[in-house]
This record gives sequence, structure tokens and C-alpha cells, in this order.
Amino acid sequence: NAGVTQTPKFQVLKTGQSMTLQCAQDMNHNSMYWYRQDPGMGLRLIYYSASEGTTDKGEVPNGYNVSRLNKREFSLRLESAAPSQTSVYFCASSFLLGGGQETQYFGPGTRLLVL
Amino acid sequence: AQSVAQPEDQVNVAEGNPLTVKCTYSVSGNPYLFWYVQYPNRGLQFLLKYITGDNLVKGSYGFEAEFNKSQTSFHLKKPSALVSDSALYFCAVREGSGGSYIPTFGRGTSLIVHP
Repeated sequence: NAGVTQTPKFQVLKTGQSMTLQCAQDMNHNSMYWYRQDPGMGLRLIYYSASEGTTDKGEVPNGYNVSRLNKREFSLRLESAAPSQTSVYFCASSFLLGGGQETQYFGPGTRLLVL
Repeated sequence: AQSVAQPEDQVNVAEGNPLTVKCTYSVSGNPYLFWYVQYPNRGLQFLLKYITGDNLVKGSYGFEAEFNKSQTSFHLKKPSALVSDSALYFCAVREGSGGSYIPTFGRGTSLIVHP
């Protein structure tokens, strides 16, 4: 039981390049989330997926797209990376949207540097 | 709208002394409250939560938190700090029913425990 896994762990991009961050969970959770973490800003929600087949914008969706490929996988795509997207990205999952009375489980993070 | 505040960016405490990490919240109805811990270069890990019932909640690693409805607070506490408790701590809140089902996270408090 690996929990929530993310790839890659580190990435350096040049401005304008594109990339996809991958996330998978093996806990049979319905809901998945993408957050970014910036110093002094805490965690900010980018997109979430309440269940397979649905996605919704969070607090800071501009410049990102997501795909809920199946129940296990939720990817985050940067179509044209900008230096402002330099951050640490976390994927999370929960059995119910928002965690219900349960909690969110987080992946180890992807550290992205955009030059 | 829901919000959470962690008024201290950093808390310093000597090993063996009690520690408190502060959190205040704002929601329209009854809150669901969570504490997470993040160790360096790791994802967030769940510590404890308040949903309903006893105002004193006990969680992992000897941590506890007290829900105070009148002061809208959910401070994290531990009777005797360990150097290994040094980490970044996040408080999160969501409305118990209705509204957003997505937790809002605080900006985080860095706990430093000195030997």
C-alpha cells in the first residue's frame, strides 16, 4: 500500500515549456486534489476532483489544467510554464470530498523550478 | 466563507517544555478542524481532528488540541516537546455541513524545539 505517489520529485523547466505532474493513489479514494505550497502562503488549492469524471477549479487554477484519468490517477498540466509557477506541488486524496469526517492523505510533493 | 489563521510564523520551545501552536478559525456553521504536520521534504501527515463531541482531542505523537467554540480556536498542544517535533504545522478548517467541502489551510507555523 503505497498511499499517494507523485512523479517526478524534482523538475526544472524553462519559461514556456510544458509538463505534466502525475499523481496516483491506491486507497480507493473518490476525491483527489492538487495544491501548491509557497513560503508564507500555506497550501492553496489549484483543482480538485470530487469523483471520477469530475473536476473543479480551486483557489488558484489559472495556468493549469487537470485530468482525472481514472479513479486512481489525477494529473496536473502546465501548458506554458511561468516563473510564478515555481512552487512545491502536492497531490492529496480522500474517501469523500473534503474528507468528510476523514482526513486527506498527501503525496510527497513535486518541487518545480521555472527559469 | 471559511478561513483559518495561524498567528505565529514560528514557535520556539526548549525540549521538555510544553508547546502550543495557535489556530483560530471562521466558518458559518459548525466546524470540522484538522491539524497536519509536515517534516522537511515530505508531504503533510494527519495529526488529529475535531468533528464533534469532547472538546479535547488527542492525536498522534502525544499531541492534543482543544476546541474552544467561544474563542473560535483550536490550539495544538503537547505537554513535553521533543527535538523531533520540529516541523511545519498546518491547521485546516471546513464547514461541517453545507458550504465548501474543501478544507482551507492556514499558512503554517514552524515549530523549532531546541535541545
